[in-house]
Amino acid sequence: NAGVMQNPRHLVRRRGQEARLRCSPMKGHSHVYWYRQLPEEGLKFMVYLQKENIIDESGMPKERFSAEFPKEGPSILRIQQVVRGDSAAYFCASSLDLATGEQYFGPGTRLTVT
Amino acid sequence: AQSVTQLGSHVSVSEGALVLLRCNYSSSVPPYLFWYVQYPNQGLQLLLKYTSAATLVKGINGFEAEFKKSETSFHLTKPSAHMSDAAEYFCAVSFGYGNKLVFGAGTILRVKS
Repeated sequence: NAGVMQNPRHLVRRRGQEARLRCSPMKGHSHVYWYRQLPEEGLKFMVYLQKENIIDESGMPKERFSAEFPKEGPSILRIQQVVRGDSAAYFCASSLDLATGEQYFGPGTRLTVT
Repeated sequence: AQSVTQLGSHVSVSEGALVLLRCNYSSSVPPYLFWYVQYPNQGLQLLLKYTSAATLVKGINGFEAEFKKSETSFHLTKPSAHMSDAAEYFCAVSFGYGNKLVFGAGTILRVKS
């Protein structure tokens, strides 16, 4: 059973460009979470999605950031008009059993904004 | 607001020595508790979890953690450190069904030969 897949692993964007980060959950998992890890900081929750629904986006910046998890295909975290402060590692996690809250993490996408 | 505190951003032990990484949480309800390990430039791997069953939880790679409700703690231990244990360790809590994980700031473990 393949783990959580994220691509690309590394992404370089210039200020003002768009960044698209993809996450394929583990097989059978329908719950996806996105977290951001800024340099020298722990992971911070951004958004929780189920298929076609955003359940909790309390950690998402109000502007420029959006997420989706369509019926078919991977979950996408989209950052428009990137700024240097968006440089971070973005991790996706998926979950099968909500009763325990256990989440499985992907390898992350490291975004660098130049 | 719920929070997680990891005491010590860096811990250094000698190979073969006891590893103790501290984690305290604040919550008015019993949480689910987790320890994750992160190696450089990699994702997080689950070490162990507490979900209201036994208070002493055994995980992978010889790690274990004890949930102490009275102290609101969930410290991670390993009797004998190995060089391969050098990594960053994160304590995390989840406060309900399907809820997000709230992470501590992390502790970098260094193992000296």
